[in-house]
Amino acid sequence: DQQVKQNSPSLSVQEGRISILNCDYTNSMFDYFLWYKKYPAEGPTFLISISSIKDKNEDGRFTVFLNKSAKHLSLHIVPSQPGDSAVYFCAASADTSGTYKYIFGTGTRLKVLA
Amino acid sequence: GAGVSQSPSNKVTEKGKDVELRCDPISGHTALYWYRQSLGQGLEFLIYFQGNSAPDKSGLPSDRFSAERTGGSVSTLTIQRTQQEDSAVYLCASSPTGDYGYTFGSGTRLTVV
Repeated sequence: DQQVKQNSPSLSVQEGRISILNCDYTNSMFDYFLWYKKYPAEGPTFLISISSIKDKNEDGRFTVFLNKSAKHLSLHIVPSQPGDSAVYFCAASADTSGTYKYIFGTGTRLKVLA
Repeated sequence: GAGVSQSPSNKVTEKGKDVELRCDPISGHTALYWYRQSLGQGLEFLIYFQGNSAPDKSGLPSDRFSAERTGGSVSTLTIQRTQQEDSAVYLCASSPTGDYGYTFGSGTRLTVV
């Protein structure tokens, strides 16, 4: 039972355009969400987060949107750059126990074409 | 060190053998996590250590898997009698107490043949 779903395994975008990566979740108790980026042969690196009390968080070219009623979040990258090509994971946590144990999606491979 | 260090980076083992994977977290980080990523899957939570508290072992897939953390720092994940389905990348992460973002290591790619 996949509680965090990334239904698009891959996405190709032209350099300079917007990349939109989507993530859906099923557990209404999730209250904190993260996006990680992963290059081959490296561990995932933290990109951006959002708390359930917000509906948007922005950091430079990266913006995460949260729609709690739809249990959906998305990551927007504008403008996309070739160096953004990587696998992106969304993750969610129901931080009731303080363990910050995250449930990860299966990832979306983004390819930014020069 | 500056980051989370994992060793070995690659491990090939025969089915039925035991393996030990090592994680050196960032100095001062009290929380340590093990995840694994099987081919085509997301990151699967295995176990969590926080200071001197009892670990959260709820993600360990079977009793062949165990982990310990000595002195609140280095952690080893042990898989006994390895099976082919254990083949995956095993990732370790650490974070300061109360911090939401983990720092991951580069992982150990385990292949059971």
